[in-house]
Amino acid sequence: QTVVTQEPSLTVSPGGTVTLTCASTTGAVTSGSYSNWFQQKPGQAPRALIHNTNNKHSWTPARFSGSLLGGKAALTLSGVQPEDEAEYYCLLFYDTFWVFGGGTKLTVL
Amino acid sequence: QLQLQESGPGLVKPSETLSLICTVSGASISSSHYYWGWIRQPPGKGLEWIGNIYYTGSASYNPSLKSRVTISVDTSKSQFSLHLSSVTAADTAVYYCVSDQLGAVAGTWGQGILVTVSS
Repeated sequence: QTVVTQEPSLTVSPGGTVTLTCASTTGAVTSGSYSNWFQQKPGQAPRALIHNTNNKHSWTPARFSGSLLGGKAALTLSGVQPEDEAEYYCLLFYDTFWVFGGGTKLTVL
Repeated sequence: QLQLQESGPGLVKPSETLSLICTVSGASISSSHYYWGWIRQPPGKGLEWIGNIYYTGSASYNPSLKSRVTISVDTSKSQFSLHLSSVTAADTAVYYCVSDQLGAVAGTWGQGILVTVSS
């Protein structure tokens, strides 16, 4: 069974930088995984942030960036704002279907 | 502006079929730029990709649900549908319809609809 793993929780100070990662049990995440990242705040529908590894949507703040790092997909937040406190999900492509990671709860403290 | 709206029953009995419709507005459901998909989220849990469909009717499904799920499209009504058979309490979730583009999943989300499986 394909499993996508993320850090369950991370804490960052306002103004700081944090990197969330997304790994696959089947091996290294590559550009062919077309990794996507989503942000979800309590009581809201998720919102897409990054697609195709490192492409921002038109509404994605500049402080969010996507990349590949050490065989994983990564989402980096630079200059974290209090409103960035949320759950973050990655999504990876496996030939014909997609799999979400379990999510990372990001606390800004 | 592309908008999606889910509709359907909020309560389904165990062993029955869950059926939801998503109505597309602000863009053509027959556009070659989009795929149309479903994602769900059980209360207090994470997201699960269910599947998606192209306007031609070509669909892809989550292998863990494939035996029970069908996604279809009705271009004349600008709607696509989700049917999930033999439901159990584990299928209780908020169901979202979404629009995908090549490599960009769920750029647009519906508001979501809570479906509870209970007798």
